[in-house]
Amino acid sequence: GQSLEQPSEVTAVEGAIVQINCTYQTSGFYGLSWYQQHDGGAPTFLSYNALDGLEETGRFSSFLSRSDSYGYLLLQELQMKDSASYFCAVRDIEDSNYQLIWGAGTKLIIKP
Amino acid sequence: GAVVSQHPSWVICKSGTSVKIECRSLDFQATTMFWYRQFPKQSLMLMATSNEGSKATYEQGVEKDKFLINHASLTLSTLTVTSAHPEDSSFYICSASGVSVSEQYFGPGTRLTVT
Repeated sequence: GQSLEQPSEVTAVEGAIVQINCTYQTSGFYGLSWYQQHDGGAPTFLSYNALDGLEETGRFSSFLSRSDSYGYLLLQELQMKDSASYFCAVRDIEDSNYQLIWGAGTKLIIKP
Repeated sequence: GAVVSQHPSWVICKSGTSVKIECRSLDFQATTMFWYRQFPKQSLMLMATSNEGSKATYEQGVEKDKFLINHASLTLSTLTVTSAHPEDSSFYICSASGVSVSEQYFGPGTRLTVT
């Protein structure tokens, strides 16, 4: 089967750094994406890794190790507005269309 | 760029009626659109994938006669929930991707409540 594992909940303090891990087992793999979703809203795209290594975009960084089937999202200088659910998703291709296989999401709770 | 809109943002309907949800890509041509539903505190569940001008591909367990999808143009896809029941109450989200965009971009979602 296909599965993505990520922690259900992470708690951190404002201004700190937090890492959200994601391990995956999928039949195909064309990249790992991360999405942020605030309560009541739709997911918004954060990052995409197709190759091994670290991608940095402002306070957010994403890492991928294809040999370990593992990636993480790193959030630095946490702000209260970062409180949200974070989903990892593997990009796979079926019938020439790419699909996203979703993790269950990690709820990030930030305390002042 | 890469803006996707959905309409309506929320809808309440009576059991047995049908509801249509529109998904539009505003600034790019969406060759592929995806429809998801999401229950509270759960991940997104892909319902179907639709390509412009062809029939949608439904995920296992999704009734194609109940959830009608039409992708008539490169900027518009619709999802019609037919004969809605309370268990169809959910958050429905569309996303779109195209040749010009490398990622899926999501609409704001439609919250459906069936009474």
